[in-house]
Amino acid sequence: EAQVTQNPRYLITVTGKKLTVTCSQNMNHEYMSWYRQDPGLGLRQIYYSMNVEVTDKGDVPEGYKVSRKEKRNFPLILESPSPNQTSLYFCASSMLQDRGPDNEQFFGPGTRLTVL
Amino acid sequence: GDSVTQMEGPVTLSEEAFLTINCTYTATGYPSLFWYVQYPGEGLQLLLKATKADDKGSNKGFEATYRKETTSFHLEKGSVQVSDSAVYFCALRVTLGGGNKLTFGTGTQLKVEL
Repeated sequence: EAQVTQNPRYLITVTGKKLTVTCSQNMNHEYMSWYRQDPGLGLRQIYYSMNVEVTDKGDVPEGYKVSRKEKRNFPLILESPSPNQTSLYFCASSMLQDRGPDNEQFFGPGTRLTVL
Repeated sequence: GDSVTQMEGPVTLSEEAFLTINCTYTATGYPSLFWYVQYPGEGLQLLLKATKADDKGSNKGFEATYRKETTSFHLEKGSVQVSDSAVYFCALRVTLGGGNKLTFGTGTQLKVEL
């Protein structure tokens, strides 16, 4: 089954304790992205990657890091989490746009993070 | 910059009522437009899309028409069901060197009651 998986689904942590949220896709997609969802703000892009070892900042990258060492994985790293990073996080993947019109973006189930 | 404006919710309707959720956008270039749906506790799913002006996207009884002259992409359904209760997001994508960034609206929660 084609899917994007995220782990963990729920996480409660404390300020300053480094954490990683994993994301994996089994569709051989080049493009992967992280979004955060906050009430009244919709989804905002944090970072994206267009291929292995190619990453770039989205609209709200402060306080986050990513890496893309393998095509299927795109972990989100919070080196020193703060309470304002409490949010619902989504990973997504797709083909690159220039691969044709059928480049629907597939979303993972979300990770609800609470930073105390 | 690019932006999407949606009507605020929650929208509460009775089953079989007509649904409209308004969406307008601002974008440079020629965006593709999308509606995503998020059911409780789940990720986003693509509901429908339109890639050029006057295109109509449709799926599961939902429709939306890409109106370039009014920069709008309103979502409609003739008869809603309780199972349509969810949060609906309007989004756009502008071609940017092969990337696939989506710009989302704030989402509209729909509640359908018996």
